[in-house]
Amino acid sequence: DVKVTQSSRYLVKRTGEKVFLECVQDMDHENMFWYRQDPGLGLRLIYFSYDVKMKEKGDIPEGYSVSREKKERFSLILESASTNQTSMYLCASRIGQGNTGELFFGEGSRLTVL
Amino acid sequence: RKEVEQDPGPFNVPEGATVAFNCTYSNSASQSFFWYRQDCRKEPKLLMSVYSSGNEDGRFTAQLNRASQYISLLIRDSKLSDSATYLCVVIRTGANNLFFGTGTRLTVIP
Repeated sequence: DVKVTQSSRYLVKRTGEKVFLECVQDMDHENMFWYRQDPGLGLRLIYFSYDVKMKEKGDIPEGYSVSREKKERFSLILESASTNQTSMYLCASRIGQGNTGELFFGEGSRLTVL
Repeated sequence: RKEVEQDPGPFNVPEGATVAFNCTYSNSASQSFFWYRQDCRKEPKLLMSVYSSGNEDGRFTAQLNRASQYISLLIRDSKLSDSATYLCVVIRTGANNLFFGTGTRLTVIP
């Protein structure tokens, strides 16, 4: 069974705290993604990575950074959490380049920033 | 203009009904199209790909209209278990990214 695992399902943090969200996939996929999902706004891409140590900004990268030191692991970092970063965060992975290939999602991490 | 647009619904239909959703995309270079399903408080999962010739999977039929730049999903004989949010996904040629619609919420009523 293919799997994308996110480290935390639910987190509660305070404004200004540093937050790490980790994602691991066991499918040897080249591409990994971080999205946030908010009611009425759908999924918005924060960052994606197409190879180890490679990253590209998505639509809403401000306030976030990422790290991909190993192929299977893609981490999302909030350097200083703010209340407007309260959201559901979804990690996903996909095989290779090109237009085919299913996107596999983790179960999501629901972050609340107080 | 958004890359991908969907009617958010909600669509409330009785069991056994046929329901159809449309999704429009703005970039004519879009190459690949998919429907994903997302249950409440769960992650999205692939429902079906959309091929140029149209394709069917049981009660589900997906179609692509390149001239008008939209894709559709038809669900026949709706079941209670079809209640979910349906996300339209588009991949643009050369782009290593997928563009999601905001989703259409379907509730099938007993």
